[in-house]
Amino acid sequence: GAVVSQHPSWVICKSGTSVKIECRSLDFQATTMFWYRQFPKQSLMLMATSNEGSKATYEQGVEKDKFLINHASLTLSTLTVTSAHPEDSSFYICSARDDGRGTYEQYFGPGTRLTVT
Amino acid sequence: KQEVTQIPAALSVPEGENLVLNCSFTDSAIYNLQWFRQDPGKGLTSLLLIQSSQREQTSGRLNASLDKSSGRSTLYIAASQPGDSATYLCAVSGGNQFYFGTGTSLTVIP
Repeated sequence: GAVVSQHPSWVICKSGTSVKIECRSLDFQATTMFWYRQFPKQSLMLMATSNEGSKATYEQGVEKDKFLINHASLTLSTLTVTSAHPEDSSFYICSARDDGRGTYEQYFGPGTRLTVT
Repeated sequence: KQEVTQIPAALSVPEGENLVLNCSFTDSAIYNLQWFRQDPGKGLTSLLLIQSSQREQTSGRLNASLDKSSGRSTLYIAASQPGDSATYLCAVSGGNQFYFGTGTSLTVIP
């Protein structure tokens, strides 16, 4: 159990366009979801935290108008990169947590590779 | 702010050798510590989760220990195999915050 999927697994888009990445918890209720980005040979950096039905909380330095996060249901969160630029190219990973379990364990998706040309 | 450091940054060992990866953190007020494996270009695979009240966890050839008071965790890999080659990340949870270490890149030479 505790499987998290992401779609798409990779995407290439042109500069100035928007891209939406989906994160789904397949077999549990994700009361809290997290979005991370990872640059080559670096560790994961938390971008934002979202609770179902609430606005996301963004980490310092992350532009909330550029990285739109929607956690509309207990199984789905989306990250939309608006007006993407080459510097947004990165590996985006989501994770989900069932707060009802009380373990604070996060379950990670397989990641989405975004390349902006 | 919690800072998580992993030493060494890279490690190369011959197949069959036992090895230890280190993780240290600055704030002992954690809920749990988790070890992950990441293959190049891939997502994270959870290896072991240690709750703050626990001292160690074992899974197969892997054993992870946690010493909250000293802010340290170790991941012990027994009888290493080439398939163990990957980047190993530790992460500590402080409730809503999840802080990742810098990672150790492991290469097991056949």
